[in-house]
Amino acid sequence: AQSVTQPDIHITVSEGASLELRCNYSYGATPYLFWYVQSPGQGLQLLLKYFSGDTLVQGIKGFEAEFKRSQSSFNLRKPSVHWSDAAEYFCAVVVSNFGNEKLTFGTGTRLTIIP
Amino acid sequence: NAGVMQNPRHLVRRRGQEARLRCSPMKGHSHVYWYRQLPEEGLKFMVYLQKENIIDESGMPKERFSAEFPKEGPSILRIQQVVRGDSAAYFCASSPPRRGGDDTQYFGPGTRLTVL
Repeated sequence: AQSVTQPDIHITVSEGASLELRCNYSYGATPYLFWYVQSPGQGLQLLLKYFSGDTLVQGIKGFEAEFKRSQSSFNLRKPSVHWSDAAEYFCAVVVSNFGNEKLTFGTGTRLTIIP
Repeated sequence: NAGVMQNPRHLVRRRGQEARLRCSPMKGHSHVYWYRQLPEEGLKFMVYLQKENIIDESGMPKERFSAEFPKEGPSILRIQQVVRGDSAAYFCASSPPRRGGDDTQYFGPGTRLTVL
């Protein structure tokens, strides 16, 4: 079964600094990959997704992620964070069989922004 | 186009009572997934439904939990005889009919269940 690892439970960065959140997955084939963001007390919002093609994916709010097959990674990046980016970030994978496409989530990375 | 709707947003139950959570998918979406988020944890898959069919319930506890998605109306996640360990946020996600695999799930705001 596939699994997702987010090794960083909590990250603190200064406003304006760059950000990279790590995500590693475990699966033999190439899964579909997602990053979601969750603000406190809210649901999940899709930031970006990778299905195929260009391995550098652009998302909303200035985020991007790069799929690296050799490292089984899909790290999320942003060149300059804003205070409003403080939230919980979840990486997720799905192995599509054109039927059941349930998501497997990592445990999340909590991002704190300091002035 | 309204997003995925869930109600109630907050639900308080005493041990032994029943909890009924509702999810209305986005317009045009016929697939519904339920996930549970325990405190300080990620989301865990519970059940996947299409209209009038349960496709995969492998993540749902065998006892006390049930789900349905009738032909008309919202999807319902039902928890009978709730216990304190059921306290969690329950999220519903919907996706459109399959078109070759590029099917994103859109999440509702969740129902936060507290069992006293």
